[in-house]
Formats: sequence, structure tokens, C-alpha cells
Amino acid sequence: DGGITQSPKYLFRKEGQNVTLSCEQNLNHDAMYWYRQDPGQGLRLIYYSQIVNDFQKGDIAEGYSVSREKKESFPLTVTSAQKNPTAFYLCASSIGPGADSPLHFGNGTRLTVT
Amino acid sequence: AQTVTQSQPEMSVQEAETVTLSCTYDTSESDYYLFWYKQPPSRQMILVIRQEAYKQQNATENRFSVNFQKAAKSFSLKISDSQLGDAAMYFCAYREFSFFDNNDMRFGAGTRLTVKP
Repeated sequence: DGGITQSPKYLFRKEGQNVTLSCEQNLNHDAMYWYRQDPGQGLRLIYYSQIVNDFQKGDIAEGYSVSREKKESFPLTVTSAQKNPTAFYLCASSIGPGADSPLHFGNGTRLTVT
Repeated sequence: AQTVTQSQPEMSVQEAETVTLSCTYDTSESDYYLFWYKQPPSRQMILVIRQEAYKQQNATENRFSVNFQKAAKSFSLKISDSQLGDAAMYFCAYREFSFFDNNDMRFGAGTRLTVKP
């Protein structure tokens, strides 16, 4: 079955360490996204990518980095510069960048930094 | 920037009854799309329903329907014959129409729906 796989489901890191969250899709979608979800704030866009080797910052990109070397993969690195990294992270994809393309989401990764 | 407001942090409904979740949005655009997503305890986001702003007819998907009031910038979700499996967080989302740009999907803060047996 086609879908989006995020791994791991839970991730624990010490403060000051970089950590990379994995996102893989086999839907053949061009566009991919990373969102952060905090209680009471809905979802906020971190980064998005329309095509391979291209990506743009969202509203809260500071302290994060991404790469898009393959169409199927869009890993997110949470760097030590991110001041409040503990959150639930959702990866999504869509057929194209158009507004009518709904987002398909992975199951998310819960990151806890202590 | 466009904003999406869900004024009901929590709602509850009796099984088999009907419930309406509210959503308002702020935009100066005339072409856009609106979505309702459901996030059950598994935390996977699931698309419930989608509405195109230039279509006056309200979207319907089985027990889910919307009341789209473009002038009022309102987009409420009605769930009929509520089932226990409908219990979840519901997010309203807005996305501006564009052929070229990838426009961010803006989400509301969510409404937690409880279904009582």
C-alpha cells in the first residue's frame, strides 16, 4: 500500500544534540512538507519541497534543516539551535503544489529533548 | 497572512446525534480551498472533506457535510449520526489557490470531539 512512513515514532535526545527525523513516501508525490504540532496551536509549517533538490522555508524554519536528494525522501534535522524542539512532528506529501491537492500525512514522530 | 480560527477547543456529542464544529478564516483572496482533517488518537491526520471556494454547493461525504458561507468566511463541519469512531481532534485548514506557488496550508488550533455512548 502507498503511504508515508515516519520513523521513529518516539525519539529522545539530550539538549545540544542534532537529531534527524526520517520521512519516506511511495506515493510518487512531488511535494513534501514538514509540520510541527504543539498543543493548542494546530500545525505550523517548518519546510516544504516542491521538487527534488529544492526546498523553501515555512513559518518556523529557524533551528531546522532539510534535504531533498530523492523524490521519496525528505528528512528533517532538528539542530541544537532550535530553542524548544520538544514537539510532535508530522511529515506530509501532495501530488503537486497546487492548492487543490490535499495533504497526505505520516503517523508522526514525537521528539523529546531533555 | 491568512488565519484560521476554531473557537471551540472541545465539543461533545451523544452517539447517533448531530454535532457542528465551527471554523472561521481571514483572507482577502477569492479563490481558495478549505479542508477539514481528523486526527484520532493514533495521531495520523485524515482528510475528512474539502470545499472549493468558487463552488457554492456545500461539500458532502457520507455523514460529514459542511456549511460554507463565503461572505461570512465561515466553514463549519456537521457530523450526522455520530459514531464512537468519530472521536478525534478536528482541524480546519485553508489553502490559497495558485497555479505556480506552493501555498502553505494554514491550520486552526483544533477542536477535540468526544462522543458519548
